[in-house]
Amino acid sequence: EADIYQTPRYLVIGTGKKITLECSQTMGHDKMYWYQQDPGMELHLIHYSYGVNSTEKGDLSSESTVSRIRTEHFPLTLESARPSHTSQYLCASSVSYGYTFGSGTRLTVV
Amino acid sequence: AQSVTQPDIHITVSEGASLELRCNYSYGATPYLFWYVQSPGQGLQLLLKYFSGDTLVQGIKGFEAEFKRSQSSFNLRKPSVHWSDAAEYFCAVASGDSSYKLIFGSGTRLLVRP
Repeated sequence: EADIYQTPRYLVIGTGKKITLECSQTMGHDKMYWYQQDPGMELHLIHYSYGVNSTEKGDLSSESTVSRIRTEHFPLTLESARPSHTSQYLCASSVSYGYTFGSGTRLTVV
Repeated sequence: AQSVTQPDIHITVSEGASLELRCNYSYGATPYLFWYVQSPGQGLQLLLKYFSGDTLVQGIKGFEAEFKRSQSSFNLRKPSVHWSDAAEYFCAVASGDSSYKLIFGSGTRLLVRP
């Protein structure tokens, strides 16, 4: 059973819309991560957090932003969606290196 | 910088046959290495990990991997593949700093013939 939840699972949205992808975990993990997975399967880290009020940009530049106001919640926001943002977004959490992944949000921007 | 290479984009094996998925890493010190599996439409699930000690690591679902420092490899194996093993497989290496970031390979898609 999943202890990390991502909503929505699928989202189709028009260009220019603001969207927020939700990620919540119930394990009390301090570290959380957002990965972008392109159609060729490769995963790229776009944001991570060590804990509340701590966020860092990942290895792949992204126009998205994140926040970490509560330990269990790590939402990702796109202020103005574009077709180039079409991808799968995976959220993960960990204590150290034991990552637990959510099921992902598949985003399509039309 | 750390990196991971999975040279095979696709691999097809017959059900019941053995499997080996290749992974090569680039890292200066002793790496922390991982294998994850991703079923269609799902997130990633940890199969096994290597931190230190015995270089042959056992994981879930009957998988094992062997760390070979001389070859900078961490290949995943299974003696008899089941149709349900069809999925994407990712090798990963830890960043080695305090961020606990994982660097993933590009993945190998496993197809299983009946």
